[in-house]
Amino acid sequence: EDQVTQSPEALRLQEGESSSLNCSYTVSGLRGLFWYRQDPGKGPEFLFTLYSAGEEKEKERLKATLTKKESFLHITAPKPEDSATYLCAVQARGSQGNLIFGKGTKLSVKP
Amino acid sequence: GAVVSQHPSWVICKSGTSVKIECRSLDFQATTMFWYRQFPKQSLMLMATSNEGSKATYEQGVEKDKFLINHASLTLSTLTVTSAHPEDSSFYICSASQGFHEQYFGPGTRLTVT
Repeated sequence: EDQVTQSPEALRLQEGESSSLNCSYTVSGLRGLFWYRQDPGKGPEFLFTLYSAGEEKEKERLKATLTKKESFLHITAPKPEDSATYLCAVQARGSQGNLIFGKGTKLSVKP
Repeated sequence: GAVVSQHPSWVICKSGTSVKIECRSLDFQATTMFWYRQFPKQSLMLMATSNEGSKATYEQGVEKDKFLINHASLTLSTLTVTSAHPEDSSFYICSASQGFHEQYFGPGTRLTVT
């Protein structure tokens, strides 16, 4: 069964304190792995797509990496506005394109 | 970036009535649209997948006669919750994509059934 597990469930950081979020996955043929950010009461906002092991993508203070079993979202020198829930999702080959989501990591960055 | 809108953003209805939620892709043609529901402090649960002009594919456990999905054009999909009950109260989110690429999500619709 295709599955996505994110850790930790919650992460509290001081402003400027870098850290990483983990996304472990099992899927019968990975077509793509996606990272989203979700603010309370809003829909998820697209961040990155990763397609193959070894791939990396960056956007401002965020950097996503991918291996054959997991993905990391590295946050460098976070700011309070980075506080949100970060969702990881996988898309399996042979699917209609639907995403399988993890439960998310709720990040809080204190000034 | 791609923009997806939803209307209404929130709705309150009485038990037994029906509610329609619209999802529009504003600046791209969406070959596939998806409908999710999200309970408080939980992740997104896929309800159904719809391709333009085709019948929607519902996930196991989702009643297709209760949650009617129409994907009439490449920019519009609708979800109708029929004979709504309090347990249908939730946050409903749609997304749109072009083929097997990233999905862009709408802002969500908060449904409260009294």
